[in-house]
Amino acid sequence: GAVVSQHPSWVICKSGTSVKIECRSLDFQATTMFWYRQFPKQSLMLMATSNEGSKATYEQGVEKDKFLINHASLTLSTLTVTSAHPEDSSFYICSARLAFGGPNYGYTFGSGTRLTVV
Amino acid sequence: AQSVTQPDIHITVSEGASLELRCNYSYGATPYLFWYVQSPGQGLQLLLKYFSGDTLVQGIKGFEAEFKRSQSSFNLRKPSVHWSDAAEYFCAVGASATDSWGKFQFGAGTQVVVTP
Repeated sequence: GAVVSQHPSWVICKSGTSVKIECRSLDFQATTMFWYRQFPKQSLMLMATSNEGSKATYEQGVEKDKFLINHASLTLSTLTVTSAHPEDSSFYICSARLAFGGPNYGYTFGSGTRLTVV
Repeated sequence: AQSVTQPDIHITVSEGASLELRCNYSYGATPYLFWYVQSPGQGLQLLLKYFSGDTLVQGIKGFEAEFKRSQSSFNLRKPSVHWSDAAEYFCAVGASATDSWGKFQFGAGTQVVVTP
């Protein structure tokens, strides 16, 4: 089946630094990837939709200058948390949509990244 | 606007007992419905999904869910839980518009605790 590799699994960074999270589709082309965020003991909230070769579309309330998304190829999307602060500590997870196939079998989730900002 | 409600934040069940997790949704069109499970610190694993057809859907790990349009519900069930079923369970609605496939709205989740 389609596999999305997400790295790193966990990261600790100092306040004010930037962190990059990668999502890579291993055996398929992902024209679209979605980025979600999950606060402790809460549900997953969609942050943005990333389309290969174009600008990401951010959900209301998500700071696009803080959460930079790049989807430069059909197999890689990155989320960079810039000038991270403790309130950015969260679980970030991506999902990828297959280029073909439709809703019945066209997407899969990465394993997530636990970000802790100290 | 679409929404997903999981009324039960936390459920405790004895090992071997049956389990039912509730999910209600609000969606303008025919919904694509999913149940995912998340173990602590882990990603999401798809248990089952419903797009159309038979309203009783079988999934992995012995789970099943029933779509009831009249009640806008998609409840998850398992006849006999195992200790390994302790996890967080999320119900989700997937967008049905072509350009939004793969875009999910998740419920708040239900934490399942399994006691000996």
